[in-house]
Amino acid sequence: DTGVSQDPRHKITKRGQNVTFRCDPISEHNRLYWYRQTLGQGPEFLTYFQNEAQLEKSRLLSDRFSAERPKGSFSTLEIQRTEQGDSAMYLCASSPATTYEQYFGPGTRLTVT
Amino acid sequence: QKEVEQDPGPLSVPEGAIVSLNCTYSNSAFQYFMWYRQYSRKGPELLMYTYSSGNKEDGRFTAQVDKSSKYISLFIRDSQPSDSATYLCAMSANDMRFGAGTRLTVKP
Repeated sequence: DTGVSQDPRHKITKRGQNVTFRCDPISEHNRLYWYRQTLGQGPEFLTYFQNEAQLEKSRLLSDRFSAERPKGSFSTLEIQRTEQGDSAMYLCASSPATTYEQYFGPGTRLTVT
Repeated sequence: QKEVEQDPGPLSVPEGAIVSLNCTYSNSAFQYFMWYRQYSRKGPELLMYTYSSGNKEDGRFTAQVDKSSKYISLFIRDSQPSDSATYLCAMSANDMRFGAGTRLTVKP
């Protein structure tokens, strides 16, 4: 399977704990995006990488959130001191350099109790 | 006012019907327009990608963009129960903005 993969698929954590999610993009895609989606809403943009450079961050990305993409391959999204409002589906997408078509992974569903 | 407006539905149609899904937008900088299908608890799946005004057809799906009216549509012909999903419009200038999604049910 050469699509975007995300790990874990589900995460349940207690408020105040830190969590980290991983995204592996389609191998030839140099752009990688993170989104958050809550029930009944479309995905909301969080941040974007071109290769290893983080080029854009939404104001939704508070200082508790950090994303990395070392070596321009996989990416991680960390949430520190989780809050109940962080409960959502976290989606990763990738796109090639030449177009804006974004291909999504299956998402990581986070539940903060 | 949201940058992208999409009627959330729900929309229910009989099998074989033609489905019309629509979005309006306010940002004239949007240049790229996409439609995604999302099944429950899954990631969005890219259906159609268009750049210019006009129509683009792919099998049973037709995407239509009218930049002058800031209006995009997705038509599904001969709808099938397997088309039952949430359909998201998306558009991009630099980053991508999504509509809230329209929930479609196609009844056998």
